[in-house]
Amino acid sequence: DGGITQSPKYLFRKEGQNVTLSCEQNLNHDAMYWYRQDPGQGLRLIYYSQIVNDFQKGDIAEGYSVSREKKESFPLTVTSAQKNPTAFYLCATLAGGPVHEQFFGPGTRLTVL
Amino acid sequence: DAKTTQPPSMDCAEGRAANLPCNHSTISGNEYVYWYRQIHSQGPQYIIHGLKNNETNEMASLIITEDRKSSTLILPHATLRDTAVYYCIVRGMDTGRRALTFGSGTRLQVQP
Repeated sequence: DGGITQSPKYLFRKEGQNVTLSCEQNLNHDAMYWYRQDPGQGLRLIYYSQIVNDFQKGDIAEGYSVSREKKESFPLTVTSAQKNPTAFYLCATLAGGPVHEQFFGPGTRLTVL
Repeated sequence: DAKTTQPPSMDCAEGRAANLPCNHSTISGNEYVYWYRQIHSQGPQYIIHGLKNNETNEMASLIITEDRKSSTLILPHATLRDTAVYYCIVRGMDTGRRALTFGSGTRLQVQP
């Protein structure tokens, strides 16, 4: 069953702690993305990677870091430098071909206490 | 990518057609119109996209005006499961990062 896995679905952390959100895909897509969503808002791009061992900052990268050591995996670390980390985090991939459809994972809801 | 404008919310009766409008008056010639929807607390889901011709698939129809400055997503027979936030997105295929720019969308409530 092809798709994108994000775990865990809910995550709680204390203020000042770094936390890593996982994203795994078996769609064989080259490009992967991390978005953040705040209540009642659209999605904002944090980081993206178009190929293994390469990634670029999106619109709101401050306080976040990523790695792309394998095609299947694109973990996101929320560091203590992120001022307001409580949000819904979505991982996505991009299909090639004529549609350029983005596929999204189920999301991780992070709450920092 | 061009900016889009959508009404913040709409209601529709179950079984009736839902027509969701989107304005994109600054769209350029090589930009496509995409529609995604997001059911509460899930990741967005692709619905349909088009360049200038009307498009139809098993989920919906997309009507793009001749001047391409606006479009309408049509769900022909809305069900309660269609209650979601619908996003209209304009994007060029040659954009380097190829990410989607999401606005606030239209919250569609299908009423029984």
